[in-house]
Amino acid sequence: SQQGEEDPQALSIQEGENATMNCSYKTSINNLQWYRQNSGRGLVHLILIRSNEREKHSGRLRVTLDTSKKSSSLLITASRAADTASYFCATGQGGSEKLVFGKGTKLTVNP
Amino acid sequence: NAGVMQNPRHLVRRRGQEARLRCSPMKGHSHVYWYRQLPEEGLKFMVYLQKENIIDESGMPKERFSAEFPKEGPSILRIQQVVRGDSAAYFCASSWGASGYEQYFGPGTRLTVT
Repeated sequence: SQQGEEDPQALSIQEGENATMNCSYKTSINNLQWYRQNSGRGLVHLILIRSNEREKHSGRLRVTLDTSKKSSSLLITASRAADTASYFCATGQGGSEKLVFGKGTKLTVNP
Repeated sequence: NAGVMQNPRHLVRRRGQEARLRCSPMKGHSHVYWYRQLPEEGLKFMVYLQKENIIDESGMPKERFSAEFPKEGPSILRIQQVVRGDSAAYFCASSWGASGYEQYFGPGTRLTVT
């Protein structure tokens, strides 16, 4: 069954605006990772946040994690056209750490 | 420091043929994961391997699919007697450890079954 569910499914904004994507999951996790995928390409790792962390930053990216609500958010500030991509959250579970992915949020940043 | 390498990038097979997909993990990584992605979908876990061992194959179809990660050489995902439904992008990821480590993905192999 699907674990991470991203919301919204699609988001269209203007360059310079902020983009917020949310992810909800169902079971206990060890960590949550956010990835970016440009059309027809592989996945680029953005941020890993552990279950005992609440917030992490990396450049223009800010990730929060609320384990009580089983949700995470990815904020991209001052967006650029190059940020246009699909964004996936993936939860790491159990000893094997296989990642369970949602269907992603398709972000379009208009110049 | 090369990232995760996958080859071929594109593979076309006729129904009934075999497909072999290769993955070389990042230097220093001994944990390999295979995922499959259908169009407009997220990735689905298939199998997790360490050198010479399959650790978790709970996402792998029981028939026609197999994976290995030998002591020397790349990890291989093998699909025998391919069918149209096997058409997808297959991604390999590697990590330094099993728990709490980032998984880094290769560019994928796009398999088309005609």
